[in-house]
Amino acid sequence: GEDVEQSLFLSVREGDSSVINCTYTDSSSTYLYWYKQEPGAGLQLLTYIFSNMDMKQDQRLTVLLNKKDKHLSLRIADTQTGDSAIYFCAESPLSGGYNKLIFGAGTRLAVHP
Amino acid sequence: DVKVTQSSRYLVKRTGEKVFLECVQDMDHENMFWYRQDPGLGLRLIYFSYDVKMKEKGDIPEGYSVSREKKERFSLILESASTNQTSMYLCASSRRGGSDIQYFGAGTRLSVL
Repeated sequence: GEDVEQSLFLSVREGDSSVINCTYTDSSSTYLYWYKQEPGAGLQLLTYIFSNMDMKQDQRLTVLLNKKDKHLSLRIADTQTGDSAIYFCAESPLSGGYNKLIFGAGTRLAVHP
Repeated sequence: DVKVTQSSRYLVKRTGEKVFLECVQDMDHENMFWYRQDPGLGLRLIYFSYDVKMKEKGDIPEGYSVSREKKERFSLILESASTNQTSMYLCASSRRGGSDIQYFGAGTRLSVL
């Protein structure tokens, strides 16, 4: 079935790198996404990766995709207090139809001094 | 700039009331979605619509209905609100085809007393 799993909490020191991991189940997913949710706000798309890529870099963000293991990760370099938020991984399985996304439960990132 | 607007940020209603949550997007997107977000459960799809007057049940449609009379507006209706419908409700929209990116509103936090 469709399921996206990610750990619920991550705590890092300011200036360190954060790595948020995600596993998904549907190998038909064409795209995989990372969304960020700040307190009291909706979800904001951070980045996404096409399934035929294994890495995508965008400034401080690096996405790694291991399609064989169905594993996706988001690395945030030089983590800042403004990065404190909930990060959601999502997949877009072809079986879902109509552009449905399947979201993980979200990883709450806490950045401390 | 893409914009999805939810009519209320906070709502307090009483058990048994009929509740309307409104969502408007200005991107001429075909697809619109309603999710609820609960701690530790991530986003769960309630209903979605892929065209005017068309709707499909998501994973948790019980106790909800929707209306899409115009392309830009998607309404979520709680026919008789119950305390277990206290939650954060998120609306999203996406273009048909392409990268499946969904754009989210800021959310409505509903409390049913």
